[in-house]
Amino acid sequence: DQQVKQNSPSLSVQEGRISILNCDYTNSMFDYFLWYKKYPAEGPTFLISISSIKDKNEDGRFTVFLNKSAKHLSLHIVPSQPGDSAVYFCAAREYGNKLVFGAGTILRVKS
Amino acid sequence: DAGITQSPRHKVTETGTPVTLRCHQTENHRYMYWYRQDPGHGLRLIHYSYGVKDTDKGEVSDGYSVSRSKTEDFLLTLESATSSQTSVYFCAISAQGNEQYFGPGTRLTVT
Repeated sequence: DQQVKQNSPSLSVQEGRISILNCDYTNSMFDYFLWYKKYPAEGPTFLISISSIKDKNEDGRFTVFLNKSAKHLSLHIVPSQPGDSAVYFCAAREYGNKLVFGAGTILRVKS
Repeated sequence: DAGITQSPRHKVTETGTPVTLRCHQTENHRYMYWYRQDPGHGLRLIHYSYGVKDTDKGEVSDGYSVSRSKTEDFLLTLESATSSQTSVYFCAISAQGNEQYFGPGTRLTVT
């Protein structure tokens, strides 16, 4: 049973608009959450993270929101750019400093 | 970019043969991880290490073994490769167990 779920396999957004990627989790013991971006034929790259004691973290165009009561995480990208087109993975940290990943969402930003 | 290399980058092998993948880091990070990436599954943890000679199993460890005799090297061995082990394999490193930084990946095909 998947503990981290990204229910949208893909998302298409116009350049300059907001992209919102969503992630749900089931394990209330997760204490740290991360987003990664992946281009084809490359390794995932770390984007932004948030501790479970916070509800928002911002870094430039990227903002992550955490709603613990709903066990929901989202990544906002504003404004979206064509170079943001990639696969985005949500991840959550469990005991032993291990990460559990979602299946990923393909983001396409149209120019 | 974190100093992580993986070798080989591509490999084709036959069913039943042993295969070893190497991950090398220059960051002196404590934690090292091996993942596989398959469509619809995101990244799944195979094995991880929290120090020299200290390793533990991940979610999909059957058919795989690891060794870490030096801080900088983490080896993944497929004892007898099967077609179900055809995948892209990623190594990751982490200093504190928070953000993980990934290598470029190894594409393995088992025929």
